[in-house]
Formats: sequence, structure tokens, C-alpha cells
Amino acid sequence: EPEVTQTPSHQVTQMGQEVILRCVPISNHLYFYWYRQILGQKVEFLVSFYNNEISEKSEIFDDQFSVERPDGSNFTLKIRSTKLEDSAMYFCASSSRSALDTEAFFGQGTRLTVV
Amino acid sequence: GENVEQHPSTLSVQEGDSAVIKCTYSDSASNYFPWYKQELGKGPQLIIDIRSNVGEKKDQRIAVTLNKTAKHFSLHITETQPEDSAVYFCAASMRFGAGTRLTVKP
Repeated sequence: EPEVTQTPSHQVTQMGQEVILRCVPISNHLYFYWYRQILGQKVEFLVSFYNNEISEKSEIFDDQFSVERPDGSNFTLKIRSTKLEDSAMYFCASSSRSALDTEAFFGQGTRLTVV
Repeated sequence: GENVEQHPSTLSVQEGDSAVIKCTYSDSASNYFPWYKQELGKGPQLIIDIRSNVGEKKDQRIAVTLNKTAKHFSLHITETQPEDSAVYFCAASMRFGAGTRLTVKP
């Protein structure tokens, strides 16, 4: 069964460092998303991406965040200068149509720990 | 933007009992309402969804109801089993509710 793959499963980084979280969406999907879940809290929408551009972003997705689809298979989230409060699980998701209208499939997440 | 409220935050039931989780949303333009189950250490997985042109949908022991006028939708799990224990999230317009931790006691 096709699945969304995220790497690494766990990343530890020093405060102020840049991190790149990687995702391989399901191959025929066209819509891509990043969500964040601080331990024990809700799943928060960060950004949606379609046709090589951001289609929607939340207030959390400020200038320190960026997304990219560098090739035909990867979708990345970059955090430029990590802060302690960026520690969370980051989930990538993809869908064949907009998630406003259809199921999004989630990866297993990357646990980011900022020390 | 969309705001999704979910209740209760925790729910404990005896095996075999029913569980109901309720959500409200704010944006009347929302027309797709998924429910996700999240087990420990995993990503959310869709368990059932409903579109705005339907009032109720059922899949074995799981059902979802939608009241578009009142802007609320509910998840119903009947004959609960210990393996139903997890965190459940509702969503609308890609925004998630706060989650409900369901515990089913054997």
C-alpha cells in the first residue's frame, strides 16, 4: 500500500541551527502539507503546497519556515534558525485532490528536539 | 480561517459501550469532515469521513453524523473494544480539533 515516508524519524539540533525535514509523498498525489504536533497537544496546520507554490499557510508558518519540492519525489520543510519551542512532531501529508475535499495521508512523523 | 472545537478531551468507557465525540466548526464553506485516529508514536490515520451533502455515514461499528445548519458533526463508535483506545481528531478545512483521548477498559 502506498504511504508517505518521512526522514529522519528523530532529529536533535542545537538552538539556532537550521534543520531540513524530508518527506516523500505518495507518488501520484499533487497536494502536500506540513503539520506540527507539540507533545500531547493538537495537530496544527502549517502549510499546504500545490503546483509548486504555497496555497495556504497558518500564522505559525512565519519567515523562519520554508517549503520546497526540489525534485519530483521529495517535499521538504526547512526551519532556518530553530528555537526551543520548535520542538515537536512534524507530520507531512499528501492527497490526490485538495484536503478541503478529500482524505490526506499522513507520514509517521519526524520528532524534532531543539536543545 | 476555520476554527474547530472538539469535546470531550478525554473519554473513558467500558468495553462494549458506545462512545460519542463531538465537533463544531466555524466556516460554513467547509464541506469535507474527516475523522482521524492517532495511536502512540504514529501519524493520524483516517477512519471515516463525511461530505456536506450527506447527513450520516456508517462503516461497521463507526458512524459519523453531520448537521450543517448547526455546524457540528459527531463520531459514534459502538461496541467499543480495547483496540479502539487512541486519540481521535476531527478536522475541517485542514484544521484539526484538539483531540479526544479515548480509553476502552476491558
